[in-house]
Amino acid sequence: GEEVAQTPKHLVRGEGQKAKLYCAPIKGHSYVFWYQQVLKNEFKFLISFQNENVFDETGMPKERFSAKCLPNSPCSLEIQATKLEDSAVYFCASSQTQGNTGELFFGEGSRLTVL
Amino acid sequence: GENVEQHPSTLSVQEGDSAVIKCTYSDSASNYFPWYKQELGKGPQLIIDIRSNVGEKKDQRIAVTLNKTAKHFSLHITETQPEDSAVYFCAASNSGYSTLTFGKGTMLLVSP
Repeated sequence: GEEVAQTPKHLVRGEGQKAKLYCAPIKGHSYVFWYQQVLKNEFKFLISFQNENVFDETGMPKERFSAKCLPNSPCSLEIQATKLEDSAVYFCASSQTQGNTGELFFGEGSRLTVL
Repeated sequence: GENVEQHPSTLSVQEGDSAVIKCTYSDSASNYFPWYKQELGKGPQLIIDIRSNVGEKKDQRIAVTLNKTAKHFSLHITETQPEDSAVYFCAASNSGYSTLTFGKGTMLLVSP
């Protein structure tokens, strides 16, 4: 597609429940990035992929967060046993090249609310 | 890792005035500095970027300057319009490490 498509737009979960977010990158883009934006606007990098391979996972909380980009499927970000502090907007972005050489195209985000 | 500081956190200007947002970075190896505009409820959009081999870049009413020695870069918006109102983010990344590190954002409000 011509834009990064993220679903769902809004997701509400009770504390301890699982949350799964999806991202379809722009067709032809090899790199996918996940960022978490909390209420004070700050972007926190989570993980990036080059095609289906993890490229950089230095921002990923190890215990409850996982992500995948499988061939012919949307990428996904899954949070097991959600906590209140996981409430945020999760942005997916894609790029044709590594992030330091080209533009990141962001989706509209998925707002996760943990009650 | 990289650390990007951005100031001010909020900026109010009158329509037609200029607006300047400043960022500093910590990693001297950083060589790519984009600026993103985020409107309410939307994802960030790239408005201009600069690489370390140039000191200034301009695109109509928007310009970015880079001082590598001081490790700071700035966004300049001239003849501001109400539709420029948004949150602006600076970011930086280095040549061997593709992940962008973002500043904490500046909320720009342009009053008619």
